[in-house]
Amino acid sequence: GAGVSQTPSNKVTEKGKYVELRCDPISGHTALYWYRQSLGQGPEFLIYFQGTGAADDSGLPNDRFFAVRPEGSVSTLKIQRTERGDSAVYLCASGLAETDTQYFGPGTRLTVL
Amino acid sequence: KQEVTQIPAALSVPEGENLVLNCSFTDSAIYNLQWFRQDPGKGLTSLLLIQSSQREQTSGRLNASLDKSSGRSTLYIAASQPGDSATYLCAVLAMRGAQKLVFGQGTRLTINP
Repeated sequence: GAGVSQTPSNKVTEKGKYVELRCDPISGHTALYWYRQSLGQGPEFLIYFQGTGAADDSGLPNDRFFAVRPEGSVSTLKIQRTERGDSAVYLCASGLAETDTQYFGPGTRLTVL
Repeated sequence: KQEVTQIPAALSVPEGENLVLNCSFTDSAIYNLQWFRQDPGKGLTSLLLIQSSQREQTSGRLNASLDKSSGRSTLYIAASQPGDSATYLCAVLAMRGAQKLVFGQGTRLTINP
């Protein structure tokens, strides 16, 4: 009966490095979302998966950001050549269907030095 | 483009008071509206989800209303307790464009003992 889990909980990296953030959704949830939350702001949409495919990636800020969900369960958000402006909390959510309640994980706090 | 606004940005009240948090959105084409709670350094916990065809939802001391035509929702908290202190976020699931949650910036609520 586990909820959405995300690893790592905290990630500190240096500018220019590559990072991967992992999301384990609730079992059976076909919809998976990534959001980014900056300090004092509400989360902002990055990308949405339905099954294995990215149904909408319009929120990804640029081509340094990429996400995969190869088997329709676990998803990985990948950030290349990290910049200080990428520092934020990255939240993952899953749901049974597109219009159902989204259940959020605890987030990964990314700090780029 | 859907925009969500929450007023006030911060609110501090004595324990025991009833209070109302406000949320407004610019595009009435939504599937649903959700209210979330976020504790410092934590992920989001879904409190209430109102479908676009509904007018309100209740859970314990919480009551959320939705007036889709005017683009407004309120979250009513009865008999507030110090444990209610958190940031409250509202989000709409937009019909137009990407089926993503669009969040407000949140209301930071402090209940003083």
